[in-house]
Amino acid sequence: DADVTQTPRNRITKTGKRIMLECSQTKGHDRMYWYRQDPGLGLRLIYYSFDVKDINKGEISDGYSVSRQAQAKFSLSLESAIPNQTALYFCATSDSGSNYGYTFGSGTRLTVV
Amino acid sequence: AQSVTQPDIHITVSEGASLELRCNYSYGATPYLFWYVQSPGQGLQLLLKYFSGDTLVQGIKGFEAEFKRSQSSFNLRKPSVHWSDAAEYFCAVAPLTGGFKTIFGAGTRLFVKA
Repeated sequence: DADVTQTPRNRITKTGKRIMLECSQTKGHDRMYWYRQDPGLGLRLIYYSFDVKDINKGEISDGYSVSRQAQAKFSLSLESAIPNQTALYFCATSDSGSNYGYTFGSGTRLTVV
Repeated sequence: AQSVTQPDIHITVSEGASLELRCNYSYGATPYLFWYVQSPGQGLQLLLKYFSGDTLVQGIKGFEAEFKRSQSSFNLRKPSVHWSDAAEYFCAVAPLTGGFKTIFGAGTRLFVKA
């Protein structure tokens, strides 16, 4: 099994629908992140969580919410999806003890029509 | 403002040729520096990282990067490119203290021609 698992891998949804993207990890890391990738813009941080009770907004949190259900699970919700939220979404984890970089999931490709 | 610039949106090199991908950063102090690679349909994989010490760091898959403080640069190099190196490459920075939020560059897509 992958260290960081994202579900679903692909999703097409309609404008106005609520959708949840899920992320689970087996790394034992306490820090988890949600990023959005758009062509030419790199990765932009949506939300991050340094532990179960610590959730913070990133640079582009509007229209998104998150839930840290357990140390190993971090979900991202789009309350009312809109077309400009069409993107590739990545979950990542890191260890609080030292910054040795992120471990990424394989991504969720979301299309809002 | 903190930022990472990768000046080249895409680069094409011949298989067997050398490669250099450029990265410049703007930061208050020397940060942690990273290079990640993203193969098609995959997540990002860490290639190498710099924290301190020797300014030339070795990574996986035969890649290396050199930190130049005076130029605020962290360029990625490989002496001989293989067709399997075709991917998108991201430079990233993170603070030494105060949390590990990483800032990514926009990426450079590498094409390898036979």
